[in-house]
Amino acid sequence: QQQVKQSPQSLIVQKGGISIINCAYENTAFDYFPWYQQFPGKGPALLIAIRPDVSEKKEGRFTISFNKSAKQFSLHIMDSQPGDSATYFCAAVSRSTLGRLYFGRGTQLTVWP
Amino acid sequence: KAGVTQTPRYLIKTRGQQVTLSCSPISGHRSVSWYQQTPGQGLQFLFEYFSETQRNKGNFPGRFSGRQFSNSRSEMNVSTLELGDSALYLCASNEDRYNEQFFGPGTRLTVL
Repeated sequence: QQQVKQSPQSLIVQKGGISIINCAYENTAFDYFPWYQQFPGKGPALLIAIRPDVSEKKEGRFTISFNKSAKQFSLHIMDSQPGDSATYFCAAVSRSTLGRLYFGRGTQLTVWP
Repeated sequence: KAGVTQTPRYLIKTRGQQVTLSCSPISGHRSVSWYQQTPGQGLQFLFEYFSETQRNKGNFPGRFSGRQFSNSRSEMNVSTLELGDSALYLCASNEDRYNEQFFGPGTRLTVL
């Protein structure tokens, strides 16, 4: 079954707006949560990542919020730009299966100018 | 450093054939993972190699196999191709010390 659930499947945001993508997991052995960005014809690229010992991590316009008790984490893209239009994947890694990423199904983000 | 490279970038095969895909990791990276990406199933983990040993394996049939060489380069092989094997095959490498995985551009396999 899908170990990481991601929503929404698609998202349309106006330029300058906030894009929010949510993910949830069940496996408490997960201890590393990266987000990947993928453009058409390219492989996924690491955007930002968080470990469960912090509740928030910010890098530029991208912020991960992490709720350990709820087993949920989310990506916020502030001041969304047309160049952010891509597919975003959340993922999780367990220390017992290092090297294996469990991916969400992806969110296709479209930012209208 | 050069990124992860995958060859070939595009491949067209017919059912029943076999195919070998190649991946060269970032210099110094000893872990190489393979993923299959399809519109229907998303990104699915195939297997991971570390220092020439398969360390993790996903839920794919035995037709999917791989190996890693002493220079960390990796190959994956799919035998007896089926139409459903059409996908983007992605390779990722990491240092293993950190969990950051760096992906290559993928090989687009089409099975006719």
